[in-house]
Amino acid sequence: DAGVIQSPRHEVTEMGQEVTLRCKPISGHNSLFWYRQTMMRGLELLIYFNNNVPIDDSGMPEDRFSAKMPNASFSTLKIQPSEPRDSAVYFCASSLALGGGYTFGSGTRLTVV
Amino acid sequence: SQQGEEDPQALSIQEGENATMNCSYKTSINNLQWYRQNSGRGLVHLILIRSNEREKHSGRLRVTLDTSKKSSSLLITASRAADTASYFCATGDSGGYQKVTFGTGTKLQVIP
Repeated sequence: DAGVIQSPRHEVTEMGQEVTLRCKPISGHNSLFWYRQTMMRGLELLIYFNNNVPIDDSGMPEDRFSAKMPNASFSTLKIQPSEPRDSAVYFCASSLALGGGYTFGSGTRLTVV
Repeated sequence: SQQGEEDPQALSIQEGENATMNCSYKTSINNLQWYRQNSGRGLVHLILIRSNEREKHSGRLRVTLDTSKKSSSLLITASRAADTASYFCATGDSGGYQKVTFGTGTKLQVIP
């Protein structure tokens, strides 16, 4: 298995632009998580899905953030409009069961200028 | 919000020495996990210990869990330069969906 695949690896965008981050979880994993990592706030859980259904989105910072999981093999995290304070590394992770060990993707480093 | 707090925040040791990192948490848990993150990379799952377990081993790793003190420790024996990384504890809560929350991490440097 290729692991959790995220794209793009790096994204530089101008303030106000829409940004879409993509994630392909490990086949057979039924839980998917989006995290954001910054030096100031560490690793923050944004949202997680179980069987493609959003379970908890309380970590999504604002309405500018939205996430979807249209099927078991794909998820997106969208920021519209983006702001400089959204600059961070965004990780997607998947697991076979809630509460189990997670497999993380390599992350997307987002820079909003 | 952060559930776990690691101690120390940073640790520097010589190759061959043992490294011990501690994690404290606040609420009841279903399990506790340890992850490693190399600079610029994603986190890698190392070991999971359930709330009814007290100790677990995996290769050079030894994890202990004391639920009465709400604390865990990760011991890396005979450290190697390749162990240089940040180490995070993560707690799986005892709610129905077992939400996992990560701590602040310990940055370990192993000097060759």
